[in-house]
This record gives sequence, structure tokens and C-alpha cells, in this order.
Amino acid sequence: EVQLVESGGGLVKPGGSLRLSCAASGFTFSSYSMNWVRQAPGKGLEWVSSISSSSSYIYYADSVKGRFTISRDNAKNSLYLQMNSLRAEDTAVYYCARNTAMSEFDYWGQGTLVTVSS
Amino acid sequence: DIQLTQSPSFLSASVGDRVTITCRASQGISSYLAWYQQKPGKAPKLLIYAASTLQSGVPSRFSGSGSGTEFTLTISSLQPEDFATYYCQQLNSYPPTFGQGTRLEIK
Repeated sequence: EVQLVESGGGLVKPGGSLRLSCAASGFTFSSYSMNWVRQAPGKGLEWVSSISSSSSYIYYADSVKGRFTISRDNAKNSLYLQMNSLRAEDTAVYYCARNTAMSEFDYWGQGTLVTVSS
Repeated sequence: DIQLTQSPSFLSASVGDRVTITCRASQGISSYLAWYQQKPGKAPKLLIYAASTLQSGVPSRFSGSGSGTEFTLTISSLQPEDFATYYCQQLNSYPPTFGQGTRLEIK
């Protein structure tokens, strides 16, 4: 069974940093591109970042470029999101999601809440 | 960036109704469109990909159609578990944008 489990969310002050993790199991992690998607309270879905299976290709939304860094450790079946210079507008539930070969997101984690507030 | 506009944003319907949600892209995206269902407090669930291909395990009352700039998600006969928010997503080019969502509620 495919499982994606996020962790690392919490309350952080504006300007602070946080590192999210996503532990993958039930599939060959190293064969799939992965993504982070966020959802602000009461709002819609916003794609944040993508990383290819071997980390050769990395993409970011303009809203986080230069502040967030996506990475992965295929030996540990884990995906990460390092978030720096956090702002109030980064407050959201952050989901990790797996890409299929056709690019859609077929499996999602349960999400981890990040709250940026003083 | 490619913008996706869903209509309607809110839909009230009854069990057994046939409903259609439309997603319009700001430029052509071929068939690189997916539909997701999200229930409160839960992660999104993939329903349809490549505009019209049903994801494994998704009931056949869900169907998708369209190509280019206009797409539809149809639920042929609403069931109680279908009341949720639905999102379209384009995967033609980065960033992979989502529509604003359609909230489907019980009448």
C-alpha cells in the first residue's frame, strides 16, 4: 500500500525557518517525481515545488522561489521542504504528492499544518 | 502561467441528480487535465487524468471530457459521499496550476 506521511509542521514566527519531511513507503520511491502542494485555511490548492526522481529537475512556484528548497533522499525514501524567511501568507496545510508517468498527482499524504504568526 | 477557471464555484444538488462542472484553461493544454475530489480535513483524491481516464477504483458515475481549453467533470447520479469540493489541474506546463474549486453541497 502506498503511504506518504508528512511531518515537521508547527508554529513559527515570521522570518523563521522550518523543515518538512515526507516519508514514503509501499512503492519504489526512487522511480517517481514528487511534489509539495499547500492549502491555506479555507482556500484552494496551490502547487509549491516539484523534484524529479533523481533530483535532476527542480521547479518552484514564484511565491516561494528563493525561500524554499525541495530535496529528496532516495536511500531513505524521504522528501523534504526547507522553508526559510517564512511569511504569514505561507500559513497552510502542506501536502506531499506523487507524480504519475502522466504527471498527475495520484497519491497524497495527510498533510502537515504550518502556521506563521508572531 | 496557465489560469484555470471552474464554474460554478458553488453547486447545490440532490442525491440522484446529474451534475456537470466546467474547467476552462487560459490557453490550450491538449488533454493534460486532472480532476480531484477533496472532503473537509482530508487530502485531495485523484478522480480523472488525461481529461477522461478514470483513476483505478473511482466509481463509473464519474466521467470527464474535453480537450484544448474546455473540460467537464460529470457525476451521473449523485451519491451522498460525492458531496465535496472538486478541483481541476493542468499538467501541460509548469507551474501545474489548479482551478479555484467547485463546492458541491446537498440541496
